[in-house]
Amino acid sequence: GAVVSQHPSRVICKSGTSVKIECRSLDFQATTMFWYRQFPKQSLMLMATSNEGSKATYEQGVEKDKFLINHASLTLSTLTVTSAHPEDSSFYICSARRLTADTQYFGPGTRLTVL
Amino acid sequence: DAKTTQPNSMESNEEEPVHLPCNHSTISGTDYIHWYRQLPSQGPEYVIHGLTSNVNNRMASLAIAEDRKSSTLILHRATLRDAAVYYCILRGMGSQGNLIFGKGTKLSVKP
Repeated sequence: GAVVSQHPSRVICKSGTSVKIECRSLDFQATTMFWYRQFPKQSLMLMATSNEGSKATYEQGVEKDKFLINHASLTLSTLTVTSAHPEDSSFYICSARRLTADTQYFGPGTRLTVL
Repeated sequence: DAKTTQPNSMESNEEEPVHLPCNHSTISGTDYIHWYRQLPSQGPEYVIHGLTSNVNNRMASLAIAEDRKSSTLILHRATLRDAAVYYCILRGMGSQGNLIFGKGTKLSVKP
């Protein structure tokens, strides 16, 4: 299957700082990328969907000014958690899909810990 | 997005077949049935998907009921590495709809 990478795999930051997470599709052009968040012992929750070159569409309850998403190219999307607080500590997972494709591929996830 | 219902957990013995059920009584005619699995501390992994006919790949088989209101993921010989949470998700074809994850079934495999 296709490969999606994330960087960093793990990050610890102080409260109030911003953190950027990168998501890359390594062997295909991802017209659509997705960001999910997963708290311990819970399922994945979709945060936002982004199409290359367009603004992201955020799910209800997700603050777009706090979680900045950029999808500037067909192989790269970034999620920036601005002014992070301890409650933002979570496992962030990106996913990518080709236009009209049925299959979606997931990155390995980024564990964010905010102190 | 139509909802799916899966058992919270299942147990299997190593090298035995595993049948993971999924109910989706409100499935629409254009919904595909997708299965993903998630190993601990990893992102989900695509397993298989189908529309109406049964599907086979190197990882698993997908058996879809004739009325499409239920499906079963079949792992032919469970290994310890198959221990994961398995998610059954409905999604429209192509760019229609998003993958919305439910709680899934946590599969334990005993040696």
